[in-house]
Amino acid sequence: SQTIHQWPATLVQPVGSPLSLECTVEGTSNPNLYWYRQAAGRGLQLLFYSVGIGQISSEVPQNLSASRPQDRQFILSSKKLLLSDSGFYLCAWGTGDTQYFGPGTRLTVL
Amino acid sequence: SQKIEQNSEALNIQEGKTATLTCNYTNYSPAYLQWYRQDPGRGPVFLLLIRENEKEKRKERLKVTFDTTLKQSLFHITASQPADSATYLCALDRDTSGTYKYIFGTGTRLKVLA
Repeated sequence: SQTIHQWPATLVQPVGSPLSLECTVEGTSNPNLYWYRQAAGRGLQLLFYSVGIGQISSEVPQNLSASRPQDRQFILSSKKLLLSDSGFYLCAWGTGDTQYFGPGTRLTVL
Repeated sequence: SQKIEQNSEALNIQEGKTATLTCNYTNYSPAYLQWYRQDPGRGPVFLLLIRENEKEKRKERLKVTFDTTLKQSLFHITASQPADSATYLCALDRDTSGTYKYIFGTGTRLKVLA
């Protein structure tokens, strides 16, 4: 069966510090991969999606970036965090018309 | 622009009753619509998908309807239980390019009272 991992589960970072969140998927090949952010009281906002290694599409202009160095690995990064980057970050994978989400990372920027 | 709306107010119902949640959308004709369950501090879990040519879909105690004329989907939980308490999200596909990108509603929080 397929499994999706995200780490860390929680993170507290100062403004201006770098960020690296990792997501890995097991049990499937060539999945579509997604990064979402969920701010308090708001819906899921699609940040990036990828249909293959090295293929990244950005949905929202911001100081975040994403990379897919391997088929089942998706990384979300930032060089300098802003207060507004706080939120719940979710990675998801899909091979068709359904998405499966990871456990999420709660990021607090102080 | 495409917009998807769910009732932001929490829905409280008595155990054993049927819960009905609403999802409305505008400015788009999605090929399908999805429903997810999200518990606090967890990622959403996929529940059901209904396609534009389907009027109704069932899975155990769950039922979803899809009215493309009204641009609305209804999500029903019959014989509700306290364990059904969670936030329920609807999502629709944004385009037909095959990239499977979605718009999510903000969710409706359901609380089933024992």
